[in-house]
Amino acid sequence: GAGVSQSPSNKVTEKGKDVELRCDPISGHTALYWYRQRLGQGLEFLIYFQGNSAPDKSGLPSDRFSAERTGESVSTLTIQRTQQEDSAVYLCASSLYSDNGYTFGSGTRLTVV
Amino acid sequence: AQSVTQLGSHVSVSEGALVLLRCNYSSSVPPYLFWYVQYPNQGLQLLLKYTTGATLVKGINGFEAEFKKSETSFHLTKPSAHMSDAAEYFCAVSEYNFNKFYFGSGTKLNVKP
Repeated sequence: GAGVSQSPSNKVTEKGKDVELRCDPISGHTALYWYRQRLGQGLEFLIYFQGNSAPDKSGLPSDRFSAERTGESVSTLTIQRTQQEDSAVYLCASSLYSDNGYTFGSGTRLTVV
Repeated sequence: AQSVTQLGSHVSVSEGALVLLRCNYSSSVPPYLFWYVQYPNQGLQLLLKYTTGATLVKGINGFEAEFKKSETSFHLTKPSAHMSDAAEYFCAVSEYNFNKFYFGSGTKLNVKP
């Protein structure tokens, strides 16, 4: 596609439920990143994919968070047993050559009530 | 690990005045440096980047930044602020392998008429 697409754009979920966030990167972009942006804060790195493998998962906050990427394309970030502190905007970005910087999606705003 | 410090979470300037947003980083190796802008309810957009070569880089919308290795800084400037520049600006650093970008906590720019 023309840009990085994320869905849903907004998600409200009850505490304890599982959620899946989807990212469609720009076609052909081999690198894909997930970041979290809490209200009033900067971006927090979660995970990085090169192709379908994730060489850096160091940013995942807990074992409730997982992510996968298939076909060197779509990625899904799953949060199990959501907690209120998971409320944030989850941003996905993709890159062909990383020295070009990322192209970001518009994010998924997750609210856990 | 890298760290990025943006001095001033909020900066307010008058329309037509100089914009200066500060960014300092810590790095034991030559970094790659980026500035992103985030308009309200939108994703992040790349303003400019420094990877190699000329240390003064020009970006979109009249912004520029200068990499000063001795000061470990990459401050963002614009000679004359416009109302449309009101947004949040993020400085980011990447190491040579580009596996992860480290973001500052952001500076919100307010432009007064």
